Amino acid sequence: EPEVTQTPSHQVTQMGQEVILRCVPISNHLYFYWYRQILGQKVEFLVSFYNNEISEKSEIFDDQFSVERPDGSNFTLKIRSTKLEDSAMYFCASGLAGGYNEQFFGPGTRLTVL
Amino acid sequence: GQNIDQPTEMTATEGAIVQINCTYQTSGFNGLFWYQQHAGEAPTFLSYNVLDGLEEKGRFSSFLSRSKGYSYLLLKELQMKDSASYLCAGRGASKIIFGSGTRLSIRP
Repeated sequence: EPEVTQTPSHQVTQMGQEVILRCVPISNHLYFYWYRQILGQKVEFLVSFYNNEISEKSEIFDDQFSVERPDGSNFTLKIRSTKLEDSAMYFCASGLAGGYNEQFFGPGTRLTVL
Repeated sequence: GQNIDQPTEMTATEGAIVQINCTYQTSGFNGLFWYQQHAGEAPTFLSYNVLDGLEEKGRFSSFLSRSKGYSYLLLKELQMKDSASYLCAGRGASKIIFGSGTRLSIRP
């Protein structure tokens, strides 16, 4: 069964460094999303992406964040200058249909900022 | 403001039925999600309601009343593997807001 994959599973970085989190959505999906979940807290929507552009983004998704689909398979989240509070689990999700219908989540990347 | 409210914890018995309620306030409304999340894992999509009424999918059903800003997730024939957090999320005009989740414990 096709699934969303994410790499790395765990990323440790120093405050102020740039990180790129990678996701490979399910191959025929058209809608892509990033969420994050700080340990013990609720899931937070970051951004949705369709047709090579951002569809929606939350107030968390400020100028430090960017997303890209550099080729036909990868979907990346870049954090330019990481802060301690960026430490969280980052989930990528993809969907075939729009309107946030069924979304399939990847296993997540745990980001630790020291 | 925008808010999602759901109970923090619930306990139910294997084989029984449980209903997890969710009330929401979102700026604009474009649908309501339910997700299941086992500890340390990613959320798994359960349902997405846009229209009023009940949608059934196997042992799980989800209900929406837009006029009341209310939804519930109904789980039947509970199994031990249903022990998890259940996340209610409302899609507003420009983003999705998640509740804190309801941690459901199933006892034998």
